[in-house]
This record gives sequence, structure tokens and C-alpha cells, in this order.
Amino acid sequence: EVQLVESGGGLVKPGGSLRLSCAASGFTFSSYTMNWVRQAPGKGLEWVSSISSSSNYIYYADSVKGRLTISRDNAKNSLYLQMNSLRAEDTAVYYCARVLDNFDSSGPLSIWGQGTMVTVSS
Amino acid sequence: QLVLTQSPSASASLGASVKLTCTLSSGHSIYAIAWHQQQPEKGPRYLMKLNSDGSHSKGDGIPDRFSGSSSGAERYLTISSLQSEDEADYYCQTWGTGIHVVFGGGTKLTVL
Repeated sequence: EVQLVESGGGLVKPGGSLRLSCAASGFTFSSYTMNWVRQAPGKGLEWVSSISSSSNYIYYADSVKGRLTISRDNAKNSLYLQMNSLRAEDTAVYYCARVLDNFDSSGPLSIWGQGTMVTVSS
Repeated sequence: QLVLTQSPSASASLGASVKLTCTLSSGHSIYAIAWHQQQPEKGPRYLMKLNSDGSHSKGDGIPDRFSGSSSGAERYLTISSLQSEDEADYYCQTWGTGIHVVFGGGTKLTVL
């Protein structure tokens, strides 16, 4: 079964750090561009970052550039999001998501995890 | 700038059909999109990829009641024989070189 499972969310103070993980299974992880997408409480979906299959291409939304860092370990079938200098507006459920076709730089997000909640509050 | 516009809400009766719209901003009418469903308290679920010519390919296990179509800059999701579990938020999404991933604001569908 193709699956993505996020972990690492929690409560953190403004200015603090957190590292999210996403464990992939059921497909050849190393062949797919991966993304982080977030959803603030009661709001819509917001793309955060993407990383190509071999980590050659990495992109960020302007709202997180310089504070969040995406990475992956293909040997461990895992995707990560290092979150530094967190702000209240980063409070959201964070989803990892896989693009539809292997080796595509982007595309439809066809596989989604269940999400992990990050709350930034003092 | 590529923007996807969706109506905030829609409603239709149980057993009826509903057509949701996602509009691509000016100059971007050739872009394909994807439709996603998000039921209450759940993560998003991929429904289909929809091309500018109206051809579409659905995700695994998506019922035949869900279909897509296109006209110019408009992309449509039609749900027929509405069921209670279709009550959800529906998001369109597009992508491209330099724009990466963009989502519409979502449409909240109420099944009456």
C-alpha cells in the first residue's frame, strides 16, 4: 500500500524550532518529487516547499524562505522539514505529498499523508 | 501571476448533481489542474488530473460519479448522484516551472 506518514508536530514557542518527518512506503521514494503543504486552522491549503527526487532542485514559498528547510534521505525513504524561527502564523497541519508521476519536477499531488499539527504559541 | 479562483461555497440535494468551478487567471488557460477532496477532519484526497481539453485521469478508487471537464480557462468538477459523504471541501491545484504548486481557495460543498 502506498503510504505517507508524518510525525514530529507539537507545541513550540515563537522563535523555536521543530523537525517534521514523513515516512514513505509502498513506492520507489527516490523517484518522486516530494512536497510539504500546510493548512492553518479553518483555512485552505498552502504549498510550503518541494524537493526533487535527487535533491537537486529545492523550492520554497516566500512565506517560509530562510526559516524552513526541506530535505530527504532516499536510503531511509524519508522526507523532512526543519522549521526554525517559528511564528504564530506557522500554526497549521503540515502534510507531505507526492507528485503523480515519477521523475516529474512537479504535477498533481496524488498521494497525501494524514498530517501533523504544529502549534506555535507562548 | 497564476491564480486559481473557486467559489467559497456550493450546495445541492442528496441524489442530485453539482458542478464546481475552478477558474485560471488570465493568460493561463492552457494549464492542467488537479481536483482534491477534503472531508471534515481528514487529509486531502486526490480525485483527478484535468487537462485543458477536458480529458482527465482519476485517482485510484475514485467513483464514476466524479468527472471533470474544461472550457477555456474554466475547469469543472461534476459530482453526480450526490451522497452524504461527498460533503467536503474541494480544492483545485495547478503546477508549472517557476510556479511550483498553487491551490485555489477551496469550495465547501454542502449536501442538503
